[in-house]
Amino acid sequence: AQKVTQAQTEISVVEKEDVTLDCVYETRDTTYYLFWYKQPPSGELVFLIRRNSFDEQNEISGRYSWNFQKSTSSFNFTITASQVVDSAVYFCALSPPQTGANNLFFGTGTRLTVIP
Amino acid sequence: DGGITQSPKYLFRKEGQNVTLSCEQNLNHDAMYWYRQDPGQGLRLIYYSQIVNDFQKGDIAEGYSVSREKKESFPLTVTSAQKNPTAFYLCASSIIGRGYTFGSGTRLTVV
Repeated sequence: AQKVTQAQTEISVVEKEDVTLDCVYETRDTTYYLFWYKQPPSGELVFLIRRNSFDEQNEISGRYSWNFQKSTSSFNFTITASQVVDSAVYFCALSPPQTGANNLFFGTGTRLTVIP
Repeated sequence: DGGITQSPKYLFRKEGQNVTLSCEQNLNHDAMYWYRQDPGQGLRLIYYSQIVNDFQKGDIAEGYSVSREKKESFPLTVTSAQKNPTAFYLCASSIIGRGYTFGSGTRLTVV
């Protein structure tokens, strides 16, 4: 069974602070994909990153960075020097390997509020 | 620009009515999906389709129906059998094995 846990329901930070959003997953598959999506107030989910389970390299994209640790089944997301525009709900998701069912299993999301 | 269009953005349904939510994509993606979002529960899969004229139930398909007559279109009907339909509905598409592209959603309210 697949499960994604985002224990942080809501986080508030002051602008320019760094913030880390936690994601822990469960799966019996040896191959899988992990994702992060951003949902701004408009409602649309915006793709941020996809990571293959074989690739444990950390990734940095501008102010965003991701720490994937297979040993602890975690895929945490850090925003450096947060900005008001980062305020949104962030979802972590897990996708099983391509076996015919290519579904995303979502966590419950973390609502980030960046205070100016 | 390629993308997914969901309409309407807001929809109100009287109890006992069926309503249909539209989802159209011009990304040439094979797979399409419908998710339901409730506060504090993340997104849950309703139905998905990997090819035309074929679709599969997701985790919460009861009270919903879909069709996939064209690659570009995957409408969702919320039937009167769905007892608690008030939610935010998101449509997505993907190339199988790749990340998803989501529409901007339809907010359905029962009045």
